Amino acid sequence: EDQVTQSPEALRLQEGESSSLNCSYTVSGLRGLFWYRQDPGKGPEFLFTLYSAGEEKEKERLKATLTKKESFLHITAPKPEDSATYLCAVPMNRDDKIIFGKGTRLHILP
Amino acid sequence: DSGVTQTPKHLITATGQRVTLRCSPRSGDLSVYWYQQSLDQGLQFLIQYYNGEERAKGNILERFSAQQFPDLHSELNLSSLELGDSALYFCASSVGASPYNEQFFGPGTRLTVL
Repeated sequence: EDQVTQSPEALRLQEGESSSLNCSYTVSGLRGLFWYRQDPGKGPEFLFTLYSAGEEKEKERLKATLTKKESFLHITAPKPEDSATYLCAVPMNRDDKIIFGKGTRLHILP
Repeated sequence: DSGVTQTPKHLITATGQRVTLRCSPRSGDLSVYWYQQSLDQGLQFLIQYYNGEERAKGNILERFSAQQFPDLHSELNLSSLELGDSALYFCASSVGASPYNEQFFGPGTRLTVL
């Protein structure tokens, strides 16, 4: 069964304390993976698309990486404004359904 | 502001009723996606339309239906509502048909079924 699993479910960090969020998937022949940021009560905001293993993309304090089985979202020296839920999503090959993980709730303490 | 608009912002209704949610995509985008987000299930893909045609279908209940009109706006119809249908409903738009295109999400409609 196609699945997208994110860990941890929640993460509390001190401002400046770097960490990584994980997204693992069981999809054969992955053709792409998305990362989104979602603030409470708002729609998700696109961050990155990764297409192949070994690919990396960066945006400010965020860096996304992709392997054949998982993706990581690395957060370097986070600030309180980075607090949000981070979602990853994978389109399925056979029918283009999009499966989202349940997200990681990140809280950065000042 | 993503450029995607959704109305209404909030909707409160009773079980057994029918409601219609509306979405206007970003200018130039031909695809519209509908999602349901509840606390226990997370974000669930419902359906995608591209240029007026249904393109991909997710876990959309038979009580739910959608369409995309010639002006590209879309409506999601929810009927015979149950308590469990209470959720945030998002639409998103993208320029092309491929699910690998960047999607821009609207602010959502919060549906409460009493």
